[in-house]
Amino acid sequence: DTGVSQDPRHKITKRGQNVTFRCDPISEHNRLYWYRQTLGQGPEFLTYFQNEAQLEKSRLLSDRFSAERPKGSFSTLEIQRTEQGDSAMYLCASSQYESYNEQFFGPGTRLTVL
Amino acid sequence: GENVEQHPSTLSVQEGDSAVIKCTYSDSASNYFPWYKQELGKRPQLIIDIRSNVGEKKDQRIAVTLNKTAKHFSLHITETQPEDSAVYFCAASMRGLTFGKGTHLIIQP
Repeated sequence: DTGVSQDPRHKITKRGQNVTFRCDPISEHNRLYWYRQTLGQGPEFLTYFQNEAQLEKSRLLSDRFSAERPKGSFSTLEIQRTEQGDSAMYLCASSQYESYNEQFFGPGTRLTVL
Repeated sequence: GENVEQHPSTLSVQEGDSAVIKCTYSDSASNYFPWYKQELGKRPQLIIDIRSNVGEKKDQRIAVTLNKTAKHFSLHITETQPEDSAVYFCAASMRGLTFGKGTHLIIQP
């Protein structure tokens, strides 16, 4: 499968625990994006990377959230001290800089905070 | 920041009829406008997009129009089929996408 992949697909955690998600973009894509989607809503932009540089962060990305893309390939999104309001689908997307902004999404990680 | 409004939230049409979904955006700097289709429990799938230097784009039964002056863009689906039933999202972008709240399209047989 040459599309965007995410791991795990589902995560259930207790409030206050830390969680980490991984995204593997399409191999030739140098831009990587994280979004959050709650039921009945459109995806909300969180942050994006061009290669290893994090170029933009939404105000939705609180201090408890951190994202990295250390080698410009896969990315991780960590949520510290999870809260029930963090329950959502976390989507990753990737794009090639040269093809404007055409973003392809991964299957998402569904987080449930109990 | 960018704000995208999408209407209607639910649209029910008879199979074979046309469907139109409309969006407005607020940031005149946005230059890329994609449309995504999302089926229940699945990832958003890009179905068509338009760039700010183009007024209209068509791909088989799907077309998108853009009015930069009015900051409006619309999705048109002709000859609707049952498999067109899904939630459709518009978005506007310079880098990260700002999505509308979605339109639940229901195709009545």
